[in-house]
Amino acid sequence: DTGVSQDPRHKITKRGQNVTFRCDPISEHNRLYWYRQTLGQGPEFLTYFQNEAQLEKSRLLSDRFSAERPKGSFSTLEIQRTEQGDSAMYLCASSFLGGEGAFFGQGTRLTVV
Amino acid sequence: DQQVKQNSPSLSVQEGRISILNCDYTNSMFDYFLWYKKYPAEGPTFLISISSIKDKNEDGRFTVFLNKSAKHLSLHIVPSQPGDSAVYFCAASNYGGATNKLIFGTGTLLAVQP
Repeated sequence: DTGVSQDPRHKITKRGQNVTFRCDPISEHNRLYWYRQTLGQGPEFLTYFQNEAQLEKSRLLSDRFSAERPKGSFSTLEIQRTEQGDSAMYLCASSFLGGEGAFFGQGTRLTVV
Repeated sequence: DQQVKQNSPSLSVQEGRISILNCDYTNSMFDYFLWYKKYPAEGPTFLISISSIKDKNEDGRFTVFLNKSAKHLSLHIVPSQPGDSAVYFCAASNYGGATNKLIFGTGTLLAVQP
């Protein structure tokens, strides 16, 4: 296992379209996080799962955003009716419950035109 | 409300010298602190962490110091190397609570000059 994997690495979409990103965590990790990072800012927490249960959602996660983690393995993040303000790097991370820190994937760069 | 603050957007040091990156936090419930390094177009890479029950943690060239009374932590890199040039993020969590989601600062861009 080489780490957290995210797909695609880059996505360009037209405003109003739906997009879906995938994250494959480190296999032994039971926690999976989604963060968003915009230029000049640190990563901002969006949501996290423990196994298949979504335990917390940030106020940043509007109704247009939905995340799933079926069977507690990979996760998907879907954005419906994309807006230009959704343009950002979307980062996935995973960890053990109570682990020392989260390990991040390389991110998916979303550009909404 | 920025709970974790990195007030220096950038820092430039000479190769071989010490780099000191600073971070302040406001939430007294934070009990675990981490430093991440990030290269362009990559995700953050975990560097070092410290629990609030300690005031120092060391790993090779990297040392993190925590001053709880001042709500301040710092990362020391000695000696600095050109490969250390990256953006460094400070992060905090409520490790002892129900979640260990991370709250990040805005980052400091470190440039190590050869």
